[in-house]
Amino acid sequence: QVQLQESGPGLVQSSQTLSLTCTVSGGSISSSDHYWSWIRQHPVKGLEWIGYIYNSGNTFYNPSLLSRVTISVDTSKSQFSLKLSSVTAADTAVYYCARGRGYGYGIDYWGQGTLVTVSS
Amino acid sequence: DIQMTQSPSTLSASVGDRVTITCRASQSINSWLAWYQQIPGKAPKLLIYKTSSLETGVPSRFSGSGSGTEFTLTISSLQPDDFATYYCQQYNSYWTFGQGTKVEIK
Repeated sequence: QVQLQESGPGLVQSSQTLSLTCTVSGGSISSSDHYWSWIRQHPVKGLEWIGYIYNSGNTFYNPSLLSRVTISVDTSKSQFSLKLSSVTAADTAVYYCARGRGYGYGIDYWGQGTLVTVSS
Repeated sequence: DIQMTQSPSTLSASVGDRVTITCRASQSINSWLAWYQQIPGKAPKLLIYKTSSLETGVPSRFSGSGSGTEFTLTISSLQPDDFATYYCQQYNSYWTFGQGTKVEIK
């Protein structure tokens, strides 16, 4: 059973960089079939895709966040990471890491989510 | 960017009711659409992918249909565990989610 677990600070200062890590267990992060993703959910709002990394290094980002986002992978640790720079209160959200099973198959595994609050 | 619009935003129904949720895309997404169920405090759960393919383990009362720009999720007979919020997601061009449909008890 694949499991994903987010980790990182729950509080980030405004204008700083948000950094989160997702640890994957029960499956290989090196598989070329999977899209390792970050998705966030603002309080009482819907879901917003941030970006994904696949095939051990190719990345796609939400155009609205492109200038501030970096997703990277460390296959030796079975982890992938998110960095979001210049955060504001609008970046306060629950952040999920998740796995896209393959092109056309949807997002089949999710982490439990971690709340990140941006404070001024 | 492809925008996804769900309707209704909230739906009140009773156990046993047939429920239909609609998702419209701002441009054609072919069949690249998935549906998720989210219970408060939990991560979303994949129900259906590629418009109509049922994810393993998901009850057969859930079904999906559509093509192009209009898609539907149907629950044939609503069960107590089905009161939740449902999201559609397109993955034809990047990924975009609908704003959600909350199914509440009537």
